[in-house]
Amino acid sequence: NAGVTQTPKFQVLKTGQSMTLQCAQDMNHEYMSWYRQDPGMGLRLIHYSVGAGITDQGEVPNGYNVSRSTTEDFPLRLLSAAPSQTSVYFCASSRRGRGGNTGELFFGEGSRLTVL
Amino acid sequence: AQTVTQSQPEMSVQEAETVTLSCTYDTSESDYYLFWYKQPPSRQMILVIRQEAYKQQNATENRFSVNFQKAAKSFSLKISDSQLGDAAMYFCAYRSEGGTYKYIFGTGTRLKVLA
Repeated sequence: NAGVTQTPKFQVLKTGQSMTLQCAQDMNHEYMSWYRQDPGMGLRLIHYSVGAGITDQGEVPNGYNVSRSTTEDFPLRLLSAAPSQTSVYFCASSRRGRGGNTGELFFGEGSRLTVL
Repeated sequence: AQTVTQSQPEMSVQEAETVTLSCTYDTSESDYYLFWYKQPPSRQMILVIRQEAYKQQNATENRFSVNFQKAAKSFSLKISDSQLGDAAMYFCAYRSEGGTYKYIFGTGTRLKVLA
C-alpha cells in the first residue's frame, strides 16, 4: 500500500528555473492538497482539489500552479523559481464525507526544495 | 476565512508528567473537524487525535485527550504520562465540512520531553 508518493525528495534549483513536484495517491481520495512548511510558519496551504478537474487556491498560491486531470495525481508546478520558494513541500490527501477514518489527512514524505 | 492559532511555540515537560498544548480557531461554520498531528524529526506527519465538532464528548486516544470547547473555539491537547518518544512538533488543524474540505494548520508547538 503506497499511500501518498511525492517526488523528488530533494531538489536544488537556480532562480528562474521551472520544475514540477509530482504527487500520486492510490487510495482513491477525492481531496488532495499541497502545503509548504517553513520554520515558525507551520504548514501553509498552497492549492487544493476536491476532485478531478477542480482546483482552488489556498493561503499562499502565488508562484505555483496545479492541475488535477485524474483522481490519483496532483502535480505542483513552479514556473519561475524564486529564493522565497525554498521550503519543504508536502502533498496530502483525504477522503471526503464521513464514516470510517474520515478526515485523516495522509501525507507524503515531503520534498525539500532549495532555490539559489 | 478560517484560522488556527497555536500560541505556544515551545513547551517542555518532565518524563511521566502531563502537559497541555493550546489551540484556538476561528470559523463561522458549525460543521467541521479538528485534529492534532505530530511531526517527529523524521518529518513524517502522524495523526494523534481527531474531534468532530458536532460531538460534545471529548476525544481520547490512550494517553492523549482533548478539551474541546466549541463556544470558546478552543481545542487543547493533553498528553499524560509523557514519554521521550512524544518529543516532536505538534500541529493543530481544522477541516471544513462545508464543501471545500480545506485543511488549515496552526504554526505548531515544539514539545521537549526532559528525562
